[in-house]
Amino acid sequence: NAGVTQTPKFQVLKTGQSMTLQCAQDMNHNSMYWYRQDPGMGLRLIYYSASEGTTDKGEVPNGYNVSRLNKREFSLRLESAAPSQTSVYFCASSSRWGGDGYTFGSGTRLTVV
Amino acid sequence: AQSVSQHNHHVILSEAASLELGCNYSYGGTVNLFWYVQYPGQHLQLLLKYFSGDPLVKGIKGFEAEFIKSKFSFNLRKPSVQWSDTAEYFCAVAYRNTNAGKSTFGDGTTLTVKP
Repeated sequence: NAGVTQTPKFQVLKTGQSMTLQCAQDMNHNSMYWYRQDPGMGLRLIYYSASEGTTDKGEVPNGYNVSRLNKREFSLRLESAAPSQTSVYFCASSSRWGGDGYTFGSGTRLTVV
Repeated sequence: AQSVSQHNHHVILSEAASLELGCNYSYGGTVNLFWYVQYPGQHLQLLLKYFSGDPLVKGIKGFEAEFIKSKFSFNLRKPSVQWSDTAEYFCAVAYRNTNAGKSTFGDGTTLTVKP
């Protein structure tokens, strides 16, 4: 089925470890996003990519890096995980101007101990 | 900075009660407006959207929302809720003059429907 696929679904890291969250979409969307969801804080934008080859910081980029590998794939990397990065991470995609709304992946629940 | 305010953090209703969830956004640029629903343990799904035209939009599962430009509001309504509507609801705004159509989300409203 068409959609957004995220891996892994769950991950536990020790403080200081690194990891990459993978996201791929087959919607032929130009724009892709990474959000984190924390209780009572809604969704906060970490990074986004308007099109292949471009990335921009969102509201909470510190401690993260991203790569837009091609039109389909947009990865999020934590170089040195901290407990404050414990969260649920969602990848999403949309058409260039977002008028149709987002299609979300199923999320990655990350715990940093 | 763009912001979205959802008036209620937690709403508890009995089945068949009517629902209205408030949403206001921070300023009056040209906007796309959305409501998303997140059922327990699941990802967010688009419930309905406003892009242009009729300010009263209808979505899935009997939900509707009304865009009132003068009030910067986009309230979600449903005449009669069901137990299966128990979920978290997020309002989101995308300003058309921003790059990539990125959306700003409200903090969410948790709806609990008692059977």
